Amino acid sequence: EVQLVESGGGWVQPGRSLRLSCAASGFTFDDYAMHWVRQTPGKGLEWVSGISWDGVSIAYADSVKGRFTTSRDNARNSLSLQMNSLRAEDTAFYYCVRRAPTVTLNSHYFDNWGQGTLVTVSS
Amino acid sequence: QSVLTQPPSVSGAPGQRVTISCTGSSSNVGTGYDVQWYQQLPGTAPKLLIHDNNNRPSGVPDRFSGSKSGTSASLAITGLQTEDEGDYYCQSYDSSLRAWVFGGGTKLTVL
Repeated sequence: EVQLVESGGGWVQPGRSLRLSCAASGFTFDDYAMHWVRQTPGKGLEWVSGISWDGVSIAYADSVKGRFTTSRDNARNSLSLQMNSLRAEDTAFYYCVRRAPTVTLNSHYFDNWGQGTLVTVSS
Repeated sequence: QSVLTQPPSVSGAPGQRVTISCTGSSSNVGTGYDVQWYQQLPGTAPKLLIHDNNNRPSGVPDRFSGSKSGTSASLAITGLQTEDEGDYYCQSYDSSLRAWVFGGGTKLTVL
């Protein structure tokens, strides 16, 4: 069974940093690209970042570019999100998600989600 | 506002059929990128419901179906059940933004 377990969320003041982690199990971690998706409480979903299976290719949403850094450790089956210069608008549940294998060039989706970890940015 | 547009809410009685629309543009749905649907039940994480426009993952009942035409997609739910109440999100990829994009979500109420 695929399991994605996020940790590291909590309360932080604006301008400070926080690091999220995701522990993956139940599948061959280095076969898959991994992503972060966030959800503001009571609001919709927003893609944050994605990293290729080998960590070579990394993409970010414009809203976090230059402030957030995604990395992975395939030896430890883990994914991380380093969040710097946090803002109130970064307050959200952060989900670790597995990107489904690409069958066609037009197929881009997430087949497994973690339970999420809440990040609250407030003074 | 979200890149993909969904109605904020839909409702139906048990046993009825409802549809949820998802409208994109020429840089995402209209350019050929597939559409996915995720179901988020109260207090839980989103779960993949439909992928690549009209494919159900193993375990998803055939009451759920998807379709796509042009710059729009739809999710249909037949034989509504009370346990279907929750939020539904569409998702695709946008080549101009170079980003995975979501709809704003639709809250389904089973009356």
